[in-house]
Amino acid sequence: SQTIHQWPATLVQPVGSPLSLECTVEGTSNPNLYWYRQAAGRGLQLLFYSVGIGQISSEVPQNLSASRPQDRQFILSSKKLLLSDSGFYLCAWSVGLAGAKNIQYFGAGTRLSVL
Amino acid sequence: GENVEQHPSTLSVQEGDSAVIKCTYSDSASNYFPWYKQELGKRPQLIIDIRSNVGEKKDQRIAVTLNKTAKHFSLHITETQPEDSAVYFCAAKMSVFKGSGNTGKLIFGQGTTLQVKP
Repeated sequence: SQTIHQWPATLVQPVGSPLSLECTVEGTSNPNLYWYRQAAGRGLQLLFYSVGIGQISSEVPQNLSASRPQDRQFILSSKKLLLSDSGFYLCAWSVGLAGAKNIQYFGAGTRLSVL
Repeated sequence: GENVEQHPSTLSVQEGDSAVIKCTYSDSASNYFPWYKQELGKRPQLIIDIRSNVGEKKDQRIAVTLNKTAKHFSLHITETQPEDSAVYFCAAKMSVFKGSGNTGKLIFGQGTTLQVKP
């Protein structure tokens, strides 16, 4: 069966420090991968999605970047964190097949606090 | 651009009553509409979904209806229970090009906080 791992679960970082959040998927090949941010009490904002290794689409211009160095690995990064980067970050995957429903399965999330 | 509007933002009902959450979408090419439930501090989880070739789908106490002409879809929860209390998100699939086929991304509504009072 497929599983998605996301870490760390919580992170407290000072303003201006770098960020690296990692997400890996097991039990499937060539998945679509997604990074979302959820501010407190708000909806799910799609940040990046990837349909293959090295293929990243950015949805919102911001202080963050994403990379996909391996088929089932998706990394969210920042060189210098801002206060506004605080939030709940969720990684998700879906089956990467043409015509698929696009059911997205979410990781447990990382709660990031930038102080 | 692509947009999904969800209403209401908060909903409070008595246990046993029904709850209805409504969403509208902008992309007429959308063909898949899932609903996710997110409990406090947890990850969103799929509870029901519907394809555009179906007008209604039911799974025990929850049902979803779709009106493609009007571009809106709704979640119906009957006989609500306290454990139904959570944030509910609707979403619509937008197709993006992927090589020889298509894959999609989901555009989410802003969420509805449902409180079921015992």
